[in-house]
Amino acid sequence: DGGITQSPKYLFRKEGQNVTLSCEQNLNHDAMYWYRQDPGQGLRLIYYSQIVNDFQKGDIAEGYSVSREKKESFPLTVTSAQKNPTAFYLCASGRTGEAFFGQGTRLTVV
Amino acid sequence: QKEVEQNSGPLSVPEGAIASLNCTYSDRGSQSFFWYRQYSGKSPELIMFIYSNGDKEDGRFTAQLNKASQYVSLLIRDSQPSDSATYLCAVNIEPNFGNEKLTFGTGTRLTIIP
Repeated sequence: DGGITQSPKYLFRKEGQNVTLSCEQNLNHDAMYWYRQDPGQGLRLIYYSQIVNDFQKGDIAEGYSVSREKKESFPLTVTSAQKNPTAFYLCASGRTGEAFFGQGTRLTVV
Repeated sequence: QKEVEQNSGPLSVPEGAIASLNCTYSDRGSQSFFWYRQYSGKSPELIMFIYSNGDKEDGRFTAQLNKASQYVSLLIRDSQPSDSATYLCAVNIEPNFGNEKLTFGTGTRLTIIP
């Protein structure tokens, strides 16, 4: 089936640990995005990428890192520098602006 | 000024009535505009997109765009309880040539009252 797959669905992290969230798409989309959503809030852009081996910081990139080594994959690392990482993380891919979302990863710091 | 602004609501509309959701944006160069619906605990799903001034209809949904006023809206006719969700406006903004970023508003929570 074509689509966007995020894993894991739920993730628990201890303070001070780095964690990596996976995002894979088989829709042949050029653009990929990572967003963060806090309870009752909209989506805030963390990083985005239009082509392989290139990516841009979004509005809240501090404490996060990404890579785009393959068109299909855009993993997000939440580093220990991110002071408040507990949130719902959404990956999306798209063409011509419209974006389609994965099911999301709920990250909780314990 | 935020790049994309929406009234956070909540907006309550009786079943069968028209729900009207509004969004303004700051970048005059924006070319494409999107409406997403998000049910609680789920990821957003695209329901409408519009590129040209005027109205675009798809079933019970109508998107309206006015680039001169930097305003985009979504009308939902014959509102149903299943339309109760948060509606997110998104705008494609191009801070650098060839690097479009999809920016979202904070969303409007809509409740359809049976």
